[in-house]
Amino acid sequence: KQEVTQIPAALSVPEGENLVLNCSFTDSAIYNLQWFRQDPGKGLTSLLLIQSSQREQTSGRLNASLDKSSGRSTLYIAASQPGDSATYLCAVAGRDDKIIFGKGTRLHILP
Amino acid sequence: GAVVSQHPSRVICKSGTSVKIECRSLDFQATTMFWYRQFPKQSLMLMATSNEGSKATYEQGVEKDKFLINHASLTLSTLTVTSAHPEDSSFYICSAPESRGSNSPLHFGNGTRLTVT
Repeated sequence: KQEVTQIPAALSVPEGENLVLNCSFTDSAIYNLQWFRQDPGKGLTSLLLIQSSQREQTSGRLNASLDKSSGRSTLYIAASQPGDSATYLCAVAGRDDKIIFGKGTRLHILP
Repeated sequence: GAVVSQHPSRVICKSGTSVKIECRSLDFQATTMFWYRQFPKQSLMLMATSNEGSKATYEQGVEKDKFLINHASLTLSTLTVTSAHPEDSSFYICSAPESRGSNSPLHFGNGTRLTVT
């Protein structure tokens, strides 16, 4: 059974700093991994999708990496801004088409 | 881009009543839709997979008679919470893959905040 873990559960950093969010999964037989952002009480916004054959994806200040063999992904946020404050979720798509989510990392950027 | 519309965004109902939540794919056809539930400060949990034209597949521990799912067309799936209880109060989100296959991005509705009084 696939399990997805995100560390840390919460993180506060001063504005302008670069930061890394971690995601690990137990079953490396995945199709893709997706990073989402969730604002309080809102739905999910897809940030980056990494296919199992890829090692990283970049979008603006965000960079996501994937090491399928070790079951790890990282989301790197450069030059953090207060607007980046949200919960970041990683989700893994398995061969049964199910999407398994981590519990998320609550990020707070201090102005 | 592909959009999933979920309605209503918020609903308050009394114990014992039923509530229907709609999930629509606006500019693509979705043969499969997923329904998730999220309790405060917890992860999204998959409840069921909705399949167009056939019965939904429920995850272990999810009562299919309580959470009725109907996927009657390629653009609409509904989740009905029957005989709602306060413990059903939660955030419900639907999602749909843009197309078949593992390379398809997953699109989410904005969620429904259900409060049962």
